[in-house]
Amino acid sequence: EAGVTQFPSHSVIEKGQTVTLRCDPISGHDNLYWYRRVMGKEIKFLLHFVKESKQDESGMPNNRFLAERTGGTYSTLKVQPAELEDSGVYFCASSKQGYEQYFGPGTRLTVT
Amino acid sequence: GENVEQHPSTLSVQEGDSAVIKCTYSDSASNYFPWYKQELGKGPQLIIDIRSNVGEKKDQRIAVTLNKTAKHFSLHITETQPEDSAVYFCAAAQGTGGFKTIFGAGTRLFVKA
Repeated sequence: EAGVTQFPSHSVIEKGQTVTLRCDPISGHDNLYWYRRVMGKEIKFLLHFVKESKQDESGMPNNRFLAERTGGTYSTLKVQPAELEDSGVYFCASSKQGYEQYFGPGTRLTVT
Repeated sequence: GENVEQHPSTLSVQEGDSAVIKCTYSDSASNYFPWYKQELGKGPQLIIDIRSNVGEKKDQRIAVTLNKTAKHFSLHITETQPEDSAVYFCAAAQGTGGFKTIFGAGTRLFVKA
């Protein structure tokens, strides 16, 4: 069974530019989560999809962040325009029933 | 909202010794407590979890304990090996209405051979 995959593994962009991160969950997992770890701090929850619906987006920092999950399969997280403080590692996780979440390798975003 | 505190931030042990990482949480509604291990360049990997109706759980060299009254839980690794070196995260989540998971800040464990 393939694990959670994320693309790209690393992205370097300039302040003001747009970046789109992609996550492919484990096949059959209805729950998809986005998290972010900034500067070695704790991993922070961003949002939770159940299939294509946003179940909880209370962790989204501001309206520069837009997450989508069309068709309930893969998900994208767009940052537009990017700011310096958006730098960090963005993780995606998926789960079938909700309890056990399987994480992807993360996308390291650097905003210069 | 929920807040999870994790200690220590760094832990160095000799191979074969035990390692203990402690966490506290603030929201009594949390009922699921996973532990993740993150190795360099990889995402967090679930290594063990415990639910609030259980006080202790063991899986080979790893054990977790949960004290609901005191709102704290701990990870115990016995007979540590160099490959146990990694960053460990504790977390808390509520099963009702979704599984928003709140993480601790992480513990960097070094196991010296």
